[in-house]
Amino acid sequence: DAGVIQSPRHEVTEMGQEVTLRCKPISGHNSLFWYRQTMMRGLELLIYFNNNVPIDDSGMPEDRFSAKMPNASFSTLKIQPSEPRDSAVYFCASSLKGAGNFYEQYFGPGTRLTVT
Amino acid sequence: QQQVKQSPQSLIVQKGGIPIINCAYENTAFDYFPWYQQFPGKGPALLIAIRPDVSEKKEGRFTISFNKSAKQFSLHIMDSQPGDSATYFCAASMPGNTPLVFGKGTRLSVIA
Repeated sequence: DAGVIQSPRHEVTEMGQEVTLRCKPISGHNSLFWYRQTMMRGLELLIYFNNNVPIDDSGMPEDRFSAKMPNASFSTLKIQPSEPRDSAVYFCASSLKGAGNFYEQYFGPGTRLTVT
Repeated sequence: QQQVKQSPQSLIVQKGGIPIINCAYENTAFDYFPWYQQFPGKGPALLIAIRPDVSEKKEGRFTISFNKSAKQFSLHIMDSQPGDSATYFCAASMPGNTPLVFGKGTRLSVIA
């Protein structure tokens, strides 16, 4: 199993540009989560999907952020236009019910975004 | 409002020591409490998890202690090794397939 796959691993862009982050969840997992990690705020949820349907996007900072999950094996997080304060590591995680009857989340390697 | 409070922020122990990381939560509706380990440049990796109906869970050298009445839980690492040097995050979630709320993390250094 390849685990959660994210691309690109690093992205450097200029303020005002559009950025698209991509995620492929683990096959068979029916939930997908996007988190953002910064030194100041730690790990925070942006949005999550169950069965490709967005459930809670209250963590999306503002309208510049959007996320889609067109099918069970792919999701995107788009920032348009990007700003320097969006610089962070963005993680995608997918989940599966574990042996203990609770849902275990598995994280991808992250995308480190730098907006100059 | 921080729903899960983690301490200490950083911790240095000698090899073979037993680092203890503590977390406290407010929301009594949380029913799943995992710990994650993160190495630099990597994503968080699930280490061990517990439900509030259990007071202790061990997996290898890692133990979670859970105190439901105090709304606290902690991670103990037995016989710590330099390879355990990483950032550890506690987390909590509501019932079902729901997002995790994370503590701010503890940077652990195990020195030989």
